[in-house]
Amino acid sequence: GDSVTQMEGPVTLSEEAFLTINCTYTATGYPSLFWYVQYPGEGLQLLLKATKADDKGSNKGFEATYRKETTSFHLEKGSVQVSDSAVYFCALSARETSGSRLTFGEGTQLTVNP
Amino acid sequence: EAGVAQSPRYKIIEKRQSVAFWCNPISGHATLYWYQQILGQGPKLLIQFQNNGVVDDSQLPKDRFSAERLKGVDSTLKIQPAKLEDSAVYLCASSLVNGGTGELFFGEGSRLTVL
Repeated sequence: GDSVTQMEGPVTLSEEAFLTINCTYTATGYPSLFWYVQYPGEGLQLLLKATKADDKGSNKGFEATYRKETTSFHLEKGSVQVSDSAVYFCALSARETSGSRLTFGEGTQLTVNP
Repeated sequence: EAGVAQSPRYKIIEKRQSVAFWCNPISGHATLYWYQQILGQGPKLLIQFQNNGVVDDSQLPKDRFSAERLKGVDSTLKIQPAKLEDSAVYLCASSLVNGGTGELFFGEGSRLTVL
């Protein structure tokens, strides 16, 4: 079945540091890939997405590139801020199914210190 | 645009008791999902509705969990009887039919503690 594997956390960085959170996936067909973020006390919200190979999703300074050859979708940000502290989830959506249900990774807790 | 509404936000019950969670999706979203998020883990799909029909309930523990979506709008998830391992946040999400982009809109969740 479909699955998503994220790098183990938690991750602690200083403000303005470079961030990478690794994500790899297993899926049949050609899934769409997503990063969702969960800020403290809030619901999950979409951060960025990519729907085909070599697409780059970007939002709020975060980027991720859909790499079919390595089945990866790593999340990066050049300079993190304290406000980026949250839990980040990588997810995929299998296109051949109806609706848009998501399969999530385990999540990576990011803490950014001033 | 109003988001996905869920209630209650928090619930504490004894094991073997029952509990029900309610969800109101974004207006016009035909697809509705219930996810279970255990502390420290990613959300796991329990059930997916399209309008008022079930698309996928393969991971729903049907001996104790039930869900319905009347009139293709609001949905209720029930647990009876609850077990300790049911302690989790229950997330409701909605999306447009065959959105293709896969973007789900989540509510804030209902946190269940089973003692």
